[in-house]
Amino acid sequence: GQQLNQSPQSMFIQEGEDVSMNCTSSSIFNTWLWYKQDPGEGPVLLIALYKAGELTSNGRLTAQFGITRKDSFLNISASIPSDVGIYFCAGRKTSYDKVIFGPGTSLSVIP
Amino acid sequence: NAGVTQTPKFQVLKTGQSMTLQCAQDMNHEYMSWYRQDPGMGLRLIHYSVGAGITDQGEVPNGYNVSRSTTEDFPLRLLSAAPSQTSVYFCASSYSAGASHEQFFGPGTRLTVL
Repeated sequence: GQQLNQSPQSMFIQEGEDVSMNCTSSSIFNTWLWYKQDPGEGPVLLIALYKAGELTSNGRLTAQFGITRKDSFLNISASIPSDVGIYFCAGRKTSYDKVIFGPGTSLSVIP
Repeated sequence: NAGVTQTPKFQVLKTGQSMTLQCAQDMNHEYMSWYRQDPGMGLRLIHYSVGAGITDQGEVPNGYNVSRSTTEDFPLRLLSAAPSQTSVYFCASSYSAGASHEQFFGPGTRLTVL
């Protein structure tokens, strides 16, 4: 069954605001991934994290691998309308385990 | 490179019909996989393949068959469609199954079973 939880489930924000979302697990993971899915498209990898405590940025996006290895966080600064979509966290428990996906956080940006 | 391509984009089936969802990649990736996406459930792994001639079951394999005769192609077959198989199906590929070789996804096939 599903082992990752994401919060919030959905969020509506004003353009220009910062966004924070997180992903938690009851198990330790050694890889955390963040994907974005645009409406009607497949998910696209945003950021990959491979080390506890790692903080990685991709433009306005910043993700962190939690110290406990049971969580990860994604922040988006100064949101714009094209940030709209579903953000999935995903992870692996070991390097060759299958990737497990969270249920997603739906982001809507109000111009 | 076209990346990962999927056909058809949309499909409506009647209960009991069979069909094959096509997936192809031109990146010479060894690892390919099929997921289904349902509201609030994220992506769940149906079947995967670590190379031509090798396939294995994922989290939700019942009602689906796969084969991998070439590196490029990984079709998903529904032998007798059921309404519970109404979903969006994504194919993905990566250089290998291991970490640091993350997956590229196709655009999806939206399937409705009546």
